[in-house]
Amino acid sequence: TQLLEQSPQFLSIQEGENLTVYCNSSSVFSSLQWYRQEPGEGPVLLVTVVTGGEVKKLKRLTFQFGDARKDSSLHITAAQPGDTGLYLCAGPGGGADGLTFGKGTHLIIQP
Amino acid sequence: NAGVTQTPKFQVLKTGQSMTLQCAQDMNHNSMYWYRQDPGMGLRLIYYSASEGTTDKGEVPNGYNVSRLNKREFSLRLESAAPSQTSVYFCASSRTGGEGNTIYFGEGSWLTVV
Repeated sequence: TQLLEQSPQFLSIQEGENLTVYCNSSSVFSSLQWYRQEPGEGPVLLVTVVTGGEVKKLKRLTFQFGDARKDSSLHITAAQPGDTGLYLCAGPGGGADGLTFGKGTHLIIQP
Repeated sequence: NAGVTQTPKFQVLKTGQSMTLQCAQDMNHNSMYWYRQDPGMGLRLIYYSASEGTTDKGEVPNGYNVSRLNKREFSLRLESAAPSQTSVYFCASSRTGGEGNTIYFGEGSWLTVV
């Protein structure tokens, strides 16, 4: 099973600040996905990146796939309390089907 | 828009008891999954089903059995619950398996084994 390491594990910042969270692996992934999970709910897909060096933007969220396809980052500009949640990266694996997930970054944005 | 529905939402079991978690999806998806989520361990795949009539083990299948009853429904059974199975269980589905495919999750089932 290919491992995905996420950092930091926990992050608490003030509203309006910028932040970056990371997803790293020693293995090459053909694609990576980012999910966001709110308390009491299941994860929801934010984005899929498939090309090395790819950058995708979703409003204030910017996702980047590393050139070597071993890592990805999520940058949030001007964070808002609504961004609070658990951010998970995931890649193919965990069996012949399905996804393997990182352990996630718990993000808290304080008003 | 029901999506993926799983029941029950909460359950407390005594060690040794059995129970079945039910899951149904209304998106006509071929692939269905059961994950468990534990603090510090992340989401781990228990079993999956790539199509009706097929099931395969994931990363942590011991102590569980599954049934793909039809295309819509995928159940997870604990035959003799153990405290180590205390967890949050998520059912999920996708149109097909494979990379880049969107997986849709249910809201989770909180299971406590005492």
